[in-house]
Amino acid sequence: GQNIDQPTEMTATEGAIVQINCTYQTSGFNGLFWYQQHAGEAPTFLSYNVLDGLEEKGRFSSFLSRSKGYSYLLLKELQMKDSASYLCAVIDSNYQLIWGAGTKLIIKP
Amino acid sequence: DAEITQSPRHKITETGRQVTLACHQTWNHNNMFWYRQDLGHGLRLIHYSYGVQDTNKGEVSDGYSVSRSNTEDLPLTLESAASSQTSVYFCASSDGGGADTQYFGPGTRLTVL
Repeated sequence: GQNIDQPTEMTATEGAIVQINCTYQTSGFNGLFWYQQHAGEAPTFLSYNVLDGLEEKGRFSSFLSRSKGYSYLLLKELQMKDSASYLCAVIDSNYQLIWGAGTKLIIKP
Repeated sequence: DAEITQSPRHKITETGRQVTLACHQTWNHNNMFWYRQDLGHGLRLIHYSYGVQDTNKGEVSDGYSVSRSNTEDLPLTLESAASSQTSVYFCASSDGGGADTQYFGPGTRLTVL
């Protein structure tokens, strides 16, 4: 079966750095997305990785290792508004999106 | 600005009733998707469409149907609502191929009593 694993919940301090990991086992790989979802709202696009390496976008970076089936989302200079769930999703060989259950990130002052 | 809307935002219904959730996008996207989101689960694909008159079953399609008569709309129908269908439903759309970013509507919270 296809599987995406993320930690259920993480806590971090305002101003700090946090890394949210995602490991996947899917039938094929055609890219990986990270989405942010605030409570009661829709998921919104953060990043897309298809090649190995680090993609940086402001305070957020996303890393991919296809050989290890592993990605992480790095959030720097955490702000209270970063409190949200972060969803990892993999595009499989049929170009279907397989979603992880999400990581709830709690930011403390 | 282009957008994707869903209605109603909240719905309470009774077991056995037929319910239709609307999804309308003004992005002019070919692809549209319906997901459900439940606590402890990732987004699960119900149905999807790659264009007018095209519909496909997703991972959890039993008890649901869709139709695509134009580019903008993909209504989701629950033929006979069940308590197990209590969930938050999200509609999404994307432009081109399967690797394109999906843009989500605000969601519909459905409660089946």
